Amino acid sequence: DAGITQSPRYKITETGRQVTLMCHQTWSHSYMFWYRQDLGHGLRLIYYSAAADITDKGEVPDGYVVSRSKTENFPLTLESATRSQTSVYFCASSDPDRGRGYGYTFGSGTRLTVV
Amino acid sequence: GNSVTQMEGPVTLSEEAFLTINCTYTATGYPSLFWYVQYPGEGLQLLLKATKADDKGSNKGFEATYRKETTSFHLEKGSVQVSDSAVYFCALRWVDTGRRALTFGSGTRLQVQP
Repeated sequence: DAGITQSPRYKITETGRQVTLMCHQTWSHSYMFWYRQDLGHGLRLIYYSAAADITDKGEVPDGYVVSRSKTENFPLTLESATRSQTSVYFCASSDPDRGRGYGYTFGSGTRLTVV
Repeated sequence: GNSVTQMEGPVTLSEEAFLTINCTYTATGYPSLFWYVQYPGEGLQLLLKATKADDKGSNKGFEATYRKETTSFHLEKGSVQVSDSAVYFCALRWVDTGRRALTFGSGTRLQVQP
């Protein structure tokens, strides 16, 4: 199916464990993003990628690692999960060639709970 | 840096009431402005957008006008429905060294009662 898919939808993990959240898009959009959503903070940018093998930090990158070996995939890894990383994580993609008014397309999110 | 400020919620209205959700921004240059909507349990969906001053974005009865002089992009709807209950996010994008990232406000929850 065309679109942007995140997996898993829900995840519970223990403090100190490594967790990887997956994001896959089918449009070959060059830009991909990871945001976390927390009450009172809206969405905050964790990492973004302008193309395969090009990634850069956002506002809140500490404790996270990303990679982008293929255009369509942009996994987010929590190297050693902490309770403060309990959040809803959203992946998004964007095609800058469509101009200033083109927004993002978001996945459905992953709700991560760290216990 | 760029920032977006939205009115705090929740906003509770009766069906057919008039809606305004305030959004102001701080940005250098001329950002593009967006409203996104998030229905319960879902991701964000683009609701409307405006790319330059005095542009009016509209969709599904919602409207917002890009006001450069007041750095605002308030969301309005003349008659809300129960199905409009959701969280609304104002966002801006300024092409900053190619980053193209959206900066979001904190979101405003709208509850519409029958």
